[in-house]
Amino acid sequence: GESVGLHLPTLSVQEGDNSIINCAYSNSASDYFIWYKQESGKGPQFIIDIRSNMDKRQGQRVTVLLNKTVKHLSLQIAATQPGDSAVYFCASETSYDKVIFGPGTSLSVIP
Amino acid sequence: DGGITQSPKYLFRKEGQNVTLSCEQNLNHDAMYWYRQDPGQGLRLIYYSQIVNDFQKGDIAEGYSVSREKKESFPLTVTSAQKNPTAFYLCASRTDPATGVNTIYFGEGSWLTVV
Repeated sequence: GESVGLHLPTLSVQEGDNSIINCAYSNSASDYFIWYKQESGKGPQFIIDIRSNMDKRQGQRVTVLLNKTVKHLSLQIAATQPGDSAVYFCASETSYDKVIFGPGTSLSVIP
Repeated sequence: DGGITQSPKYLFRKEGQNVTLSCEQNLNHDAMYWYRQDPGQGLRLIYYSQIVNDFQKGDIAEGYSVSREKKESFPLTVTSAQKNPTAFYLCASRTDPATGVNTIYFGEGSWLTVV
């Protein structure tokens, strides 16, 4: 079946460094992708999204890159801060009612 | 402020009991969803509803039931038929994709524990 997965379950980075979190998806028909941040015991928060007709989108300190050829997307966080410590997960959508969520990468920021 | 409100935050269920988790949104969103989150796993869809008085089963609907009598409300009942209900439950909503906005917004979640 369809799957969305992250390459690393945990990631530790030094404060001030850039973070890169990766995600792979299986369904080539996926046309919309979302990154979420989830702090412990809270609901996921939307970070950034990208459609399949784009290969890059930037937000405030975050950039999402999409490589449809290898079915891979990444989230880059610039100048990582302690407040960025959380679980990050990606989601891919094939249709309005078919959204697949990945298991998440836990990001720890070392002061 | 606009948002999705889930209650209660923490709930304990005894064996054989049915419990209901509340979800209310004031975002005027058409679609609402219930997801289950277990440690180390992605979110799994329980039920979703795109319009009032209509809902569809997701991937893990067995042991759960929902209703959608009002646009703002989408309560989830965890029945005694759900054998492993201990989990974090998330309610979500999104607007009609015809608006061009696809973002799914989540509530703060409800923890359900079987005692």
